[in-house]
Amino acid sequence: AQTVTQSQPEMSVQEAETVTLSCTYDTSENNYYLFWYKQPPSRQMILVIRQEAYKQQNATENRFSVNFQKAAKSFSLKISDSQLGDTAMYFCAFTRKGTYKYIFGTGTRLKVLA
Amino acid sequence: NAGVTQTPKFQVLKTGQSMTLQCAQDMNHEYMSWYRQDPGMGLRLIHYSVGAGITDQGEVPNGYNVSRSTTEDFPLRLLSAAPSQTSVYFCASSYNAGSGTDTQYFGPGTRLTVL
Repeated sequence: AQTVTQSQPEMSVQEAETVTLSCTYDTSENNYYLFWYKQPPSRQMILVIRQEAYKQQNATENRFSVNFQKAAKSFSLKISDSQLGDTAMYFCAFTRKGTYKYIFGTGTRLKVLA
Repeated sequence: NAGVTQTPKFQVLKTGQSMTLQCAQDMNHEYMSWYRQDPGMGLRLIHYSVGAGITDQGEVPNGYNVSRSTTEDFPLRLLSAAPSQTSVYFCASSYNAGSGTDTQYFGPGTRLTVL
């Protein structure tokens, strides 16, 4: 069975600094997708970034980028120039292509300090 | 578009009561799903549907029923509520079932407390 592990329950970063959130996963599959979701205090889940496993190039979305290491089964999220609005829970998630099941990690609570 | 809507936002039940959490989307999405979110456990998939008339179990289906009679609606039924079902429930939808390339849109959640 696939699992997703986020080993950092809480992190903090100074405004304008860079922070990296870790995620590891376990699967024997080759064709899958990885995601980072943001959940601010409003509770609304928002997709931050997506990575397709067959793509070598790391995904980027503005200040958000990932470091996807397929062999190591690692999928970290880097937030550059952190802003107060980045304060949120961040969830790593996995889905195998062709299935309809998404597996989420336990989350990392990120606090951006002024 | 209203996106994904959930009602109610909050609900308190007594053990043994039944209720239905409502979820609707107006984006013509084929795929809809229900998750529960518990502290320290992330989101866990309860049930999902890949189209009207088609549902299947997720990771934690016990104690919950679903049906999908229309593309728009995907209600979640608790037949006999238990304190272990105290949680925040999220409904989500996406256009292309099973495709990780499609974005899942989440509803605002329902906070359920079972006494």
